[in-house]
Amino acid sequence: ETGVTQTPRHLVMGMTNKKSLKCEQHLGHNAMYWYKQSAKKPLELMFVYNFKEQTENNSVPSRFSPECPNSSHLFLHLHTLQPEDSALYLCASRRIRTYEQYFGPGTRLTVT
Amino acid sequence: GEDVEQSLFLSVREGDSSVINCTYTDSSSTYLYWYKQEPGAGLQLLTYIFSNMDMKQDQRLTVLLNKKDKHLSLRIADTQTGDSAIYFCAESAGKLIFGQGTTLQVKP
Repeated sequence: ETGVTQTPRHLVMGMTNKKSLKCEQHLGHNAMYWYKQSAKKPLELMFVYNFKEQTENNSVPSRFSPECPNSSHLFLHLHTLQPEDSALYLCASRRIRTYEQYFGPGTRLTVT
Repeated sequence: GEDVEQSLFLSVREGDSSVINCTYTDSSSTYLYWYKQEPGAGLQLLTYIFSNMDMKQDQRLTVLLNKKDKHLSLRIADTQTGDSAIYFCAESAGKLIFGQGTTLQVKP
């Protein structure tokens, strides 16, 4: 049973839609991450938040907008996506000063 | 730059040992990790090794680290069909850098 939950698990959206992905961690961690997992490619780190502050944006297009209102919650707001954005979006969390990241089950996103 | 490489596919028979290999480039990596991903699921941390260790054993899992060659391996003893998954190697020098993953197929 994972301490990191993600909703929704599956999402189909058109290119003009606006939607949000949600991640919640119940582990008392203080760093949170968004990753993109596409077929046949390594996991791509998108964003990092430490203590609610964004510390890394890995050259992610502005059609992806993260939000971290507190250390337990992380959102990824999506708008005007492209078909190539279809992927599994994984959230992870970590306690700062440790190196172990714990992953959620992911949201499978399909952009039509 | 940082890079982690793995072979993409491994097929073994149930009961045999599996060895999944990984090479990395960043010699300053503090920890190296093995994650497992089952179909439709996120990544599950299997085990990790600190960079000053050569070997770590955890039940059926043995991790070997050759720091000189920057080579990491994961051995799964007595492989079971439930071990079928994608296995990711990752290095950590501040942030995690993942390999592409090795798909392990276990045949009955």
